[in-house]
Amino acid sequence: DVKVTQSSRYLVKRTGEKVFLECVQDMDHENMFWYRQDPGLGLRLIYFSYDVKMKEKGDIPEGYSVSREKKERFSLILESASTNQTSMYLCASSKLLQPQHFGDGTRLSIL
Amino acid sequence: EDQVTQSPEALRLQEGESSSLNCSYTVSGLRGLFWYRQDPGKGPEFLFTLYSAGEEKEKERLKATLTKKESFLHITAPKPEDSATYLCAVQARSGNTPLVFGKGTRLSVIA
Repeated sequence: DVKVTQSSRYLVKRTGEKVFLECVQDMDHENMFWYRQDPGLGLRLIYFSYDVKMKEKGDIPEGYSVSREKKERFSLILESASTNQTSMYLCASSKLLQPQHFGDGTRLSIL
Repeated sequence: EDQVTQSPEALRLQEGESSSLNCSYTVSGLRGLFWYRQDPGKGPEFLFTLYSAGEEKEKERLKATLTKKESFLHITAPKPEDSATYLCAVQARSGNTPLVFGKGTRLSVIA
């Protein structure tokens, strides 16, 4: 079975902090994705990566950056956290042209 | 622009009352249409991929069908454990592109 692991289920941070969300997959997938999910807005793509050290902007990249130094790990960084970044963050991975598999998410609260 | 619209937003069924969820899409050449199930507080779980009009896939009480403009997820004799949000997504044929998700249908099955 595909396993996508997100480092924290719940996280509370303060405004202005630099926040790191980590995601690891164990299936040698080329593609990795970061989404946020908010009530009424659905899943929105923040960034994705097709290969190590490669990244592409999604629909809402502002205020975020990513890092992919190893194939299995994809990190999402909130450079200076703000209250409007309070959300559920979901990581996903896939092989080329195959379905995405998701982690269980990190519920992030920015106070 | 690729787009996915799901209806209804929410659906309440009695146990055993069969129904269908709709996913309408516009995409510049369809590579695949994907159905996911999401339970509260968890990440989406992959159910089906459909690739061409006329194709059908089944899993327990669920059957997914595809036409050139929409997909249906038919739920036969649902049980309370089928309660979840069902998400539909499409992938365009042009390259290794991310999925475009609909906002989902929240299904409640009452015993």
